[in-house]
Amino acid sequence: GAVVSQHPSRVICKSGTSVKIECRSLDFQATTMFWYRQFPKQSLMLMATSNEGSKATYEQGVEKDKFLINHASLTLSTLTVTSAHPEDSSFYICSATVTSGGAYEQYFGPGTRLTVT
Amino acid sequence: RKEVEQDPGPFNVPEGATVAFNCTYSNSASQSFFWYRQDCRKEPKLLMSVYSSGNEDGRFTAQLNRASQYISLLIRDSKLSDSATYLCVVNRYSSASKIIFGSGTRLSIRP
Repeated sequence: GAVVSQHPSRVICKSGTSVKIECRSLDFQATTMFWYRQFPKQSLMLMATSNEGSKATYEQGVEKDKFLINHASLTLSTLTVTSAHPEDSSFYICSATVTSGGAYEQYFGPGTRLTVT
Repeated sequence: RKEVEQDPGPFNVPEGATVAFNCTYSNSASQSFFWYRQDCRKEPKLLMSVYSSGNEDGRFTAQLNRASQYISLLIRDSKLSDSATYLCVVNRYSSASKIIFGSGTRLSIRP
């Protein structure tokens, strides 16, 4: 299957600082990537759709000025959590879409665990 | 009502048992369906796609019922390593723009 990487895998930051998370498609080009957030014992919640060369599309309730997404190339999307607060502590996962037999399959990065102190 | 609903479980079954999960979706425009598996503190991994005709992969069988708008996953001869959360995923349109996750069903296989 397709490989998606994320960096860093774990980050601890102080409240008020910004954190950048990278998502890369390693063996394919991804015009669209997705960013999810998952709180403990809850399902993945789609935050935004990242489109290469254009603005990201944010889900309702997600602040675009707080969660900055940049998809500058076909293999890299970044999510920057600006002015992080403890409530932003979560597991952030990116995914990219691969077309297979007419269906769209999602491949996920390993996730980034963010802890804001 | 959630767009994709699953019984959260947990399902606690003995090794070797057969277990089945259902997932219902509310949007009839949904086009593609998948089952993902997520282990604790890990990312989801694609288990199998679900086709209209039903499909089988080893001990796993997935089925789609468009009329009743549900998909199912059957696991036969369950192994300890099958313990995980199983996520139902629905792609609402034929584009990649709306992937909806169910909240997951937790499965625990006991020796």
